[in-house]
Amino acid sequence: DIQMTQSPSSLSASVGDRVTITCRASQRISKYLNWYQQKPGEAPKLLIYGASTLQSGVPSRFCGSGSGTDFTLTISSLQPEDSATYYCQQSYITQYSFGQGTKLEIK
Amino acid sequence: EVQLVESGGGLVQPGGSLRLSCAASGFTFSSYEMNWVRQAPGKGLEWVSYISNSGSTIYYADSVKGRFTISRDNAKNSLYLQMNSLRAEDTAVYYCAREIVVGGSDAFDIWGRGTMVTVSS
Repeated sequence: DIQMTQSPSSLSASVGDRVTITCRASQRISKYLNWYQQKPGEAPKLLIYGASTLQSGVPSRFCGSGSGTDFTLTISSLQPEDSATYYCQQSYITQYSFGQGTKLEIK
Repeated sequence: EVQLVESGGGLVQPGGSLRLSCAASGFTFSSYEMNWVRQAPGKGLEWVSYISNSGSTIYYADSVKGRFTISRDNAKNSLYLQMNSLRAEDTAVYYCAREIVVGGSDAFDIWGRGTMVTVSS
């Protein structure tokens, strides 16, 4: 199995800040990495797939990068509606696995 | 509208069984691979099971292998999860999710709202 580790587990930032969340895979997964956003009481929403491709309708302030084992999700200018928990997911093997999540709070 | 609606959750005793359903609408269900993902209260997402569009290929997480069975009925646009020998640690919201393949990458683009399963005596 592939283990996914996110950091930090939580963070607090202000509107307009640049925020970065990292995700590390326990083995190389090329660019088979997705990012999801989940707000309380809601289902997860796909933000980025293939490490860096923005899903249709997702604001351009979200950006993904990385390959191999290390990946990042960057929000260039934080908005109040970005308060949520963010998960990475590997799709390199079909026993898909998620990171433990990063809870993002707006100050 | 593209939609997935789960049902069948509820309270069940340890060792009991439950069958979840996921009704798909607004897209050609038979063309898509599907998955179940669960989320224990206050915890993160855990992938549970995958089924190919024809139903011929199936995978499970180690935590449910031998106890859960995924299946689908393309004629009824429905996905199922038969859960047997349930344990307290299976308590979670269960989501069905549509899988897409774009640029060689697989991702879950459509999710249902989830159905809650509580395993308790």
